[in-house]
Amino acid sequence: RKEVEQDPGPFNVPEGATVAFNCTYSNSASQSFFWYRQDCRKEPKLLMSVYSSGNEDGRFTAQLNRASQYISLLIRDSKLSDSATYLCVTGTASKLTFGTGTRLQVTL
Amino acid sequence: NAGVMQNPRHLVRRRGQEARLRCSPMKGHSHVYWYRQLPEEGLKFMVYLQKENIIDESGMPKERFSAEFPKEGPSILRIQQVVRGDSAAYFCASSPPTGGPNQPQHFGDGTRLSIL
Repeated sequence: RKEVEQDPGPFNVPEGATVAFNCTYSNSASQSFFWYRQDCRKEPKLLMSVYSSGNEDGRFTAQLNRASQYISLLIRDSKLSDSATYLCVTGTASKLTFGTGTRLQVTL
Repeated sequence: NAGVMQNPRHLVRRRGQEARLRCSPMKGHSHVYWYRQLPEEGLKFMVYLQKENIIDESGMPKERFSAEFPKEGPSILRIQQVVRGDSAAYFCASSPPTGGPNQPQHFGDGTRLSIL
């Protein structure tokens, strides 16, 4: 079983739609949580950190449920430029562990 | 650009040769991490280094791979006697001195290694 599990997608949504991604992790020692995005053949870029209380950054909202070991990302009012692979990431004292990513394709 | 700098961007080697990948962290960052991404797969942690110290190398293959982060100069990921299966994108990331890997990590553009 992978340490961080994500639905690979792809999620094909029209512009303006709301889309949600989920992720589960198995390492209960995980201390930090992030969403990164990765465009095709490019480096991962930090989208946002995820906190237990939930946090929002513009159109993006992230939630963390430590009891269920579950992380989510909600994107409202999708833009064409949101098309990318979204990586769920957990961190321990020594390393980050990446999910394989969920592909999002936003269409006209 | 004060971001994480990796070079070369692309590296082609024949089987049996050595590959050296370089990474200079962001200014002010003293923690360096190397990841490997195989085609159509996720990033896999390889090694975490601070200046002159390897902190965690649990993701490094036992043979042919080594990493260093000397007191002066960039971090180097070295692959000896490369094989076709080493073809991948190798990403370096860095984070500030406080907080370690729990801090968000900032990535370089990566080195695409192709083995002929």
